[in-house]
Amino acid sequence: GAGVSQTPSNKVTEKGKYVELRCDPISGHTALYWYRQSLGQGPEFLIYFQGTGAADDSGLPNDRFFAVRPEGSVSTLKIQRTERGDSAVYLCASSLTPLGSTEAFFGQGTRLTVV
Amino acid sequence: DAKTTQPTSMDCAEGRAANLPCNHSTISGNEYVYWYRQIHSQGPQYIIHGLKNNETNEMASLIITEDRKSSTLILPHATLRDTAVYYCIVRSPDFGNEKLTFGTGTRLTIIP
Repeated sequence: GAGVSQTPSNKVTEKGKYVELRCDPISGHTALYWYRQSLGQGPEFLIYFQGTGAADDSGLPNDRFFAVRPEGSVSTLKIQRTERGDSAVYLCASSLTPLGSTEAFFGQGTRLTVV
Repeated sequence: DAKTTQPTSMDCAEGRAANLPCNHSTISGNEYVYWYRQIHSQGPQYIIHGLKNNETNEMASLIITEDRKSSTLILPHATLRDTAVYYCIVRSPDFGNEKLTFGTGTRLTIIP
């Protein structure tokens, strides 16, 4: 596809369960970002990958959150022992190179609901 | 990255120009001004960015004041599809600074 693809589009899970959210960036984009958006708020940065490595994970809220990008393309955001406060839309973005003065392309997000 | 201030909401009549202001009084010399918008249930979409000079593309124009402490995004002929939350973001292109810091944005409603 032409854009950033995120799956699933919606995920409902029980408190305490483990979830994985997937992001397929635009082909050839080396930089990949995860953001989280709570209701009524703007997106908040979680983590940035350049290639396979996490270059900046300063936005991850705690050690229950982890993300990987093993082959420098698809990325998975993993959340352990989910809590109700983790409910949000998780957005993935990619850019051709590190942002510099260029733009990021966002997916439509995964809406996570923890019940 | 410098903080930005935007009005919470604005209305604009369809077909008219929509002018969205943004204050960034603490902006530094190398920081760019970016605009993204987010239509309901979609991810943010890049609109335009600039450093000092005014910029125009197929979507919008960006007017940055000479002192760079504020800017205005102009949608020249607003349509109903322009109804969205518009985010003004200030960001330096320094190596390793890859974050976009979104505020709460301006909710723009285009009135038929």
